[in-house]
Amino acid sequence: NAGVTQTPKFRVLKTGQSMTLLCAQDMNHEYMYWYRQDPGMGLRLIHYSVGEGTTAKGEVPDGYNVSRLKKQNFLLGLESAAPSQTSVYFCASSTGGATKTQYFGPGTRLLVL
Amino acid sequence: GDSVTQMEGPVTLSEEAFLTINCTYTATGYPSLFWYVQYPGEGLQLLLKATKADDKGSNKGFEATYRKETTSFHLEKGSVQVSDSAVYFCALREGYSTLTFGKGTMLLVSP
Repeated sequence: NAGVTQTPKFRVLKTGQSMTLLCAQDMNHEYMYWYRQDPGMGLRLIHYSVGEGTTAKGEVPDGYNVSRLKKQNFLLGLESAAPSQTSVYFCASSTGGATKTQYFGPGTRLLVL
Repeated sequence: GDSVTQMEGPVTLSEEAFLTINCTYTATGYPSLFWYVQYPGEGLQLLLKATKADDKGSNKGFEATYRKETTSFHLEKGSVQVSDSAVYFCALREGYSTLTFGKGTMLLVSP
């Protein structure tokens, strides 16, 4: 049981380049999330999805797009990377409801030069 | 809106010392409260949770009690170990909304 996996683990981009981060979960969870973690800022929600084919904006969505074409996958895209997007990105998944635990992936470290 | 405030770190302790990490929250309703832990180089994992007032969550020797009257959910452990060194995040969730995290508190435990 792999849980939540993220691809790639580390990436270096030049300003203006594009890339897609892949998140996959094998727990049949309805909800999936993308966060970014920056020093002194905690975790901030970028986008999330409450089911296949649906997405919604979080706290810091600008510069990112997402897609949830399959229930088990949640993709995060950067169309034109900027140095301000240098961060560690975490994906998470959960079932619905206030008491439910979110399960996190190991993270993707992104450096934009 | 909802918010979570944690004490700033790092918190530095010697092994076997008593740990308290303060967490207070602001919410409009009756949230569920969580503590997540992040070990170096890893993602977050749930440490404990409480879903209603006066509930006590516990795991691995850590405890936290949901105090509605003081809107707090302080994390405690009676005797910390070097292996407890990590970043600890307090979080809340109301209804079907998303998690709101505090900024995290780094704990450093020395032998």
